[in-house]
Amino acid sequence: GAGVSQTPSNKVTEKGKYVELRCDPISGHTALYWYRQSLGQGPEFLIYFQGTGAADDSGLPNDRFFAVRPEGSVSTLKIQRTERGDSAVYLCASSSFVGNEQFFGPGTRLTVL
Amino acid sequence: GQQVMQIPQYQHVQEGEDFTTYCNSSTTLSNIQWYKQRPGGHPVFLIQLVKSGEVKKQKRLTFQFGEAKKNSSLHITATQTTDVGTYFCINTNAGKSTFGDGTTLTVKP
Repeated sequence: GAGVSQTPSNKVTEKGKYVELRCDPISGHTALYWYRQSLGQGPEFLIYFQGTGAADDSGLPNDRFFAVRPEGSVSTLKIQRTERGDSAVYLCASSSFVGNEQFFGPGTRLTVL
Repeated sequence: GQQVMQIPQYQHVQEGEDFTTYCNSSTTLSNIQWYKQRPGGHPVFLIQLVKSGEVKKQKRLTFQFGEAKKNSSLHITATQTTDVGTYFCINTNAGKSTFGDGTTLTVKP
């Protein structure tokens, strides 16, 4: 079947705007992860879901960031009042169960002007 | 998961030379997963190690998990230009996965 998909692939926005990033995991995968990656660095954990619930959101940098997964499949990462420092590639991954191998999507490159 | 320290941060080799990257933890790890990220790409899963002293091979790649489950290594024999990328080791205990900055391998043809 299809792998993890993320939309949009690129997003350019202005400082202060609201953005939503979407992740479609592999069908049947119960665990879903969000990371962000800046150039030259490893992926930085943001949040992971087990089913519909956020099992660990300790990586969200502040309350401008929020993520949902209402039906246990598609997830949306929401960023309010974007700042230039939010510019990065946002990666989504899914796994069949927590702790199993993670399949990553191609990422969304967010640029905040 | 607990963050593991990875060395070296960068490695530049001549094609055909061997390459090794090491991961170390101060505490016992439940598992180690290895990923590879090509330039401009996303991380791709390579292998998971769970058992003490475990050794797994994938063609020219050899993965080891230490006896005390506090360290791991990835060894590539006779590197090729296709091996270029950043290699990450992570621990996925309790779901939260902490990536370090990995080891970035460049290969001169």
